[in-house]
Amino acid sequence: KQEVTQIPAALSVPEGENLVLNCSFTDSAIYNLQWFRQDPGKGLTSLLLIQSSQREQTSGRLNASLDKSSGRSTLYIAASQPGDSATYLCAASDLYNQGGKLIFGQGTELSVKP
Amino acid sequence: EAQVTQNPRYLITVTGKKLTVTCSQNMNHEYMSWYRQDPGLGLRQIYYSMNVEVTDKGDVPEGYKVSRKEKRNFPLILESPSPNQTSLYFCASSLYPGYEQYFGPGTRLTVT
Repeated sequence: KQEVTQIPAALSVPEGENLVLNCSFTDSAIYNLQWFRQDPGKGLTSLLLIQSSQREQTSGRLNASLDKSSGRSTLYIAASQPGDSATYLCAASDLYNQGGKLIFGQGTELSVKP
Repeated sequence: EAQVTQNPRYLITVTGKKLTVTCSQNMNHEYMSWYRQDPGLGLRQIYYSMNVEVTDKGDVPEGYKVSRKEKRNFPLILESPSPNQTSLYFCASSLYPGYEQYFGPGTRLTVT
């Protein structure tokens, strides 16, 4: 059974710092891995999706990597800003299990201080 | 604007009173699903639909029903809500299973 873990649960950094959020999964047979952002009381916003055949994806100041063999993904945020403050969730997808349902980690709550 | 919409956004109801949470997407997506989010338990899939008239159970389907009569709509039905269904509910869709999923804004349900 796939399990997804995110450490740390919370992170506080000063503005401008580069930071890395970690995501680990127990079953390497994933179809893809998706990173989301969730603002308090809001829905999930898709940030990046990495297919199982890919090693990384980039969007603006965000870079996500995937290492299936070690069961790890990281989300790198460059030059963090207060507007980046949110909860970041990673989710692994198994196409052959329940139609590609997403199995979520518990999230990392990020606070970027001005 | 491409989006997933849910209604209502907030709902307070009493035990046993049937309710429906609507979900609609305008992206012509084949795949739709429902999740619930609870503190300490995270997000868990309730039901999903691969296409019109094709639905199946997720991890926590007890107490819920769904239907997919049209591609764009995927309502979640609670026939007899109970307090343990108090949660934040999200509808999601993707072009096909395994593709990037897009989430609605959420429906916060309280059952007293």
